[in-house]
Amino acid sequence: SQTIHQWPATLVQPVGSPLSLECTVEGTSNPNLYWYRQAAGRGLQLLFYSVGIGQISSEVPQNLSASRPQDRQFILSSKKLLLSDSGFYLCAWSGGTYGEQYFGPGTRLTVT
Amino acid sequence: GQSLEQPSEVTAVEGAIVQINCTYQTSGFYGLSWYQQHDGGAPTFLSYNALDGLEETGRFSSFLSRSDSYGYLLLQELQMKDSASYFCAPMGGFKTIFGAGTRLFVKA
Repeated sequence: SQTIHQWPATLVQPVGSPLSLECTVEGTSNPNLYWYRQAAGRGLQLLFYSVGIGQISSEVPQNLSASRPQDRQFILSSKKLLLSDSGFYLCAWSGGTYGEQYFGPGTRLTVT
Repeated sequence: GQSLEQPSEVTAVEGAIVQINCTYQTSGFYGLSWYQQHDGGAPTFLSYNALDGLEETGRFSSFLSRSDSYGYLLLQELQMKDSASYFCAPMGGFKTIFGAGTRLFVKA
């Protein structure tokens, strides 16, 4: 069966510090991968998606970037965090019967 | 453009039936999915409709009318554990659109 891992679960970072969030998927090959951000009580904002190694599509221009160095690894990065980067970051993969998405447990980021 | 509308909150009592409506406008539409998210957790996939009509999965059913760009999620025999946010999510191309969701409160 497929499993998606995200870490860390929670993170508190000062403004201006760098960020690296990692997501890995097990049990499937060549999945589509996604990074979302969710503000408290709000919907999911798609940040990046990837259909293959090295292929990244950005949905929202901002100070975040994403990379996919391996088939089942997706990394979200920032060189300098802003207060507005606080939120719940979710990684997801799709490739099921209907193209539905399966989410990792998420990382709750607080920028102080 | 893209748009997605669903009620922000719905309240119902345990054992009742509740319907969460969704209207959408998106390009390249090929199906409507629904997700559930409990407080503090990640969204989980509930159901998918590619064709018009009703799909049933246990206590949950989902309906789609492509011509009306409309769908709904029907939850029967409500239980306290159904208190969560529910997202209507139209699918098109590689992307799924998630709106703000509907917060369902189930009362005893």
